[in-house]
Formats: sequence, C-alpha cells, structure tokens
Amino acid sequence: EPEVTQTPSHQVTQMGQEVILRCVPISNHLYFYWYRQILGQKVEFLVSFYNNEISEKSEIFDDQFSVERPDGSNFTLKIRSTKLEDSAMYFCASVRDKGNEQFFGPGTRLTVL
Amino acid sequence: DAKTTQPPSMDCAEGRAANLPCNHSTISGNEYVYWYRQIHSQGPQYIIHGLKNNETNEMASLIITEDRKSSTLILPHATLRDTAVYYCIVRGFRGGGADGLTFGKGTHLIIQP
Repeated sequence: EPEVTQTPSHQVTQMGQEVILRCVPISNHLYFYWYRQILGQKVEFLVSFYNNEISEKSEIFDDQFSVERPDGSNFTLKIRSTKLEDSAMYFCASVRDKGNEQFFGPGTRLTVL
Repeated sequence: DAKTTQPPSMDCAEGRAANLPCNHSTISGNEYVYWYRQIHSQGPQYIIHGLKNNETNEMASLIITEDRKSSTLILPHATLRDTAVYYCIVRGFRGGGADGLTFGKGTHLIIQP
C-alpha cells in the first residue's frame, strides 16, 4: 500500500540554524500539506500546496517558513532560522483530489536547542 | 469550518463496540464530517467521512443525525490497537479545495483488556 514517507525521523538543531524537513508524498497525489504538533498539543495546519504554489497558509506559517517541491517527488519544509518554540512533530500529508482523505506521514520530530 | 465538541476521554472494553459522539451544531449544508485518529504521536490516520447519509467501511461506521448537528463514530469490535485520540472534523471546501484540516483536542479512547 502506498504511503507518505518523511525524513529524517528526528532532527536536532541549534537555535538560529536552518532546517529542511523532507517528505515524499504518494505518487499520484496532487495536494500536499504540512502540519505541526507541539508536544501535548493539537495538530495544527501550516500550509497547503497545489500546482506548484501555496494554496493556503495559517498564521503560524510566517516568513521563516517556506515550502518547495523541487523535483516532482519531494516536498520540503524549510525553517530559515529556528526558534526554541519550533520544537514539534512535523507531519506531511497528501491527497489525490480535493475531498478525498489526507494521508499523513509518520512525522519528523524537530528539537531546537 | 464548523466547530466540533467531543468528550475528552472514553473507556471501552475490548471486543465491545466503541461509540464516539461528536456535536457540530453549526454545521452548514455543504460541510462534511470527517473522522481521523492518532495513535501515540504517529501521523493522523483517516477513518471515515460522510455528508448526511450513514457510512460504513472496513474500519468503522458513521451515523449522522437527520438534522446533521451531531454524529457518532462506531468501532464495532474494539481492540487494544484502537486506543488512540479520535478527531471529529467538519470540513467544507473553499476555493480550490486544498484546505487544511482543523484538529481539535479529540477524544482519547482507551480500550480496556
């Protein structure tokens, strides 16, 4: 069964450093998403991406964040200058078509020291 | 998207049916009811969704009241592996349909042996 994969599973970084989280969505899916979950809190939507551009973004997704689909398979989330409060699980998701269920990856745990 | 209300936690005996309620009294006519679950910090997993008719799949059944103001997710024969946080999400489709999901706190379902 096809699945969304994410790398790395755990990333530790120093405050102020740039990080790139990687996702490989399911191959025939067209819509892509990033969510985050701070430990003990709700899953929060960050951004959606369709047709090589951002479709929707939340208030959390400020200028420190960017997304890219550089090669038609990977979908990346970049945090330009990490802060302590960026420590969270980051989940990637993809959907074949609007209205269908979102398939989530296993997540990347980001720890900012 | 309409707000949902779920009990914070529920217990169910293994092998019995687990019935998880959700109130969504402000749901509008074109909004769907989705259920996802999250097992211990894994990525959320889609379970089922519906608009106004009852739905059943290999995982669960979804019962939506006639006025659509509430719904119940039924896991017919709960197992220990069904212990998870269950999220009821009401979702419409704006624009291109690449909308992110809005997760609440969900119901923590604990299956007791």
